[in-house]
Amino acid sequence: KNEVEQSPQNLTAQEGEFITINCSYSVGISALHWLQQHPGGGIVSLFMLSSGKKKHGRLIATINIQEKHSSLHITASHPRDSAVYICAVRGRGYSGGGADGLTFGKGTHLIIQP
Amino acid sequence: GAVVSQHPSRVICKSGTSVKIECRSLDFQATTMFWYRQFPKQSLMLMATSNEGSKATYEQGVEKDKFLINHASLTLSTLTVTSAHPEDSSFYICSARDRVRNIYEKLFFGSGTQLSVL
Repeated sequence: KNEVEQSPQNLTAQEGEFITINCSYSVGISALHWLQQHPGGGIVSLFMLSSGKKKHGRLIATINIQEKHSSLHITASHPRDSAVYICAVRGRGYSGGGADGLTFGKGTHLIIQP
Repeated sequence: GAVVSQHPSRVICKSGTSVKIECRSLDFQATTMFWYRQFPKQSLMLMATSNEGSKATYEQGVEKDKFLINHASLTLSTLTVTSAHPEDSSFYICSARDRVRNIYEKLFFGSGTQLSVL
């Protein structure tokens, strides 16, 4: 079973700061997801990565398959970015049927202060 | 984009009662829906996979008679917590797989249900 570790667990920063959240996993994967969980609990999918880097607005996600590590960056952070950011990995050999094949990290609780 | 609606968002009930949670895909057909539970400061844990027209598949340690799942249509799955007890208090959230595109590029989640059993 894959172990997914996120760091830091909690992060408080000032508006405008560059934010980095890290995710490490123990076993080879087919894909990695970054999710954003709002204070009310709802979850939004931000990125799915299998290699390289993706960018959407102020968010950038990178993955290093050899090192089993991914990072989520937020540039020019804003109070509305305050949320829990969750890393989830899908194991190799997942056929698409049955269970979702995902292992979730515990999340990083981010607070951006004005 | 795809939308998954989940109701209720919050429920408080007495011990011994049953609680039904609905998960609907609003603008796509979902062959498969997933039910998760999340305790405070913990990661999401898959409880069961709900397949339209067939029995749900439960993860190890999840009591199927306690957590009844019905997926009667391509847009609706329900989770019923039967004879709820305080230890069932948790955050429950569903996600759905788009039947047509069947992609894993994005995951579509409901807004979650906070269950408190007194």
